[in-house]
Amino acid sequence: EVRLVESGGGLVQPGGSLRLSCAASGFTFSSCAMSWVRQAPGKGLEWVSVIVDGADTTYYEDSVKGRFTVSRDDSKNTLYLQMNSLRVEDTAIYYCVKLSGNTAYYPADVWGRGTTVTVAS
Amino acid sequence: DIVMTQSPDSLAVSLGERATINCKSSQSVFYSPYNKNYLTWFQQKPGQPPKLLIYWASTRDSGVPDRFSGSGSGTDFTLTISSLQAEDVAVYYCQQHFNIPFTFGPGTKVDLK
Repeated sequence: EVRLVESGGGLVQPGGSLRLSCAASGFTFSSCAMSWVRQAPGKGLEWVSVIVDGADTTYYEDSVKGRFTVSRDDSKNTLYLQMNSLRVEDTAIYYCVKLSGNTAYYPADVWGRGTTVTVAS
Repeated sequence: DIVMTQSPDSLAVSLGERATINCKSSQSVFYSPYNKNYLTWFQQKPGQPPKLLIYWASTRDSGVPDRFSGSGSGTDFTLTISSLQAEDVAVYYCQQHFNIPFTFGPGTKVDLK
C-alpha cells in the first residue's frame, strides 16, 4: 500500500522556520517526482513546489520562492520542505503528494493526510 | 500563470441524478507531441485529503466508480457524475499540470438536494 505520512507542522511566529517531512512507503520513492500542496483554512488547494527524481530539478510557486526549499533523501524515502521567513499567509495544511512519474509534469496520484502549519504571534 | 476557473461554485443534486462540473483553463493544456491534456480531477471530502479521480482529462483512476467520467480538450473540461450517490458529496477540484505553477480551480461543492 502506498503511504505518505507528513510531520513537522506546528505553531510558529512570523519570521520563524519549520521543516516538514514526508515519509514514503509502498512504492519506489527514488523513481517518482514529489510535490507539496497546501490548503489554507476553509480555502482551496494551492500548489507549492515539486522536486523531480534525482533531486536535480525543483520548482516553486512565486510566493514561496526564496523562502522554501524542497529536498529529498532517497536513502530514507523521505521528502522535506524547509520553510523560512514564514508569514501569516503561509498558515495551511501542507500535503505531501506523489506524482505518477519521474518528472514534474505527471499527474498527482497519491496524497498524504497533511500536517498543519500555523503562523501567528 | 494559467488561471483555472470552475462552474458552478456549488450544486445540489438529487440521489441518482446527474451532476456536471465545468473547468476552464486560460490557455490550452493540450500537449500535441504526447496527445495528452494535462488536466486532473480530484475529490475532497470534509476532513480528508484530496483523492485522484481522473487524470489526462479522461482516464479514470483505479478503483474510481464508473459513474465518474471526464471529458474535454484544450481549454474546456467537464467532470460528470452520472448517478449521484450519497458518498459523492464533496468538493471537486481540477488542476492543470501543463505549466508551472500547477494551478488548481477554486473547487465546486456538490451537495444532496
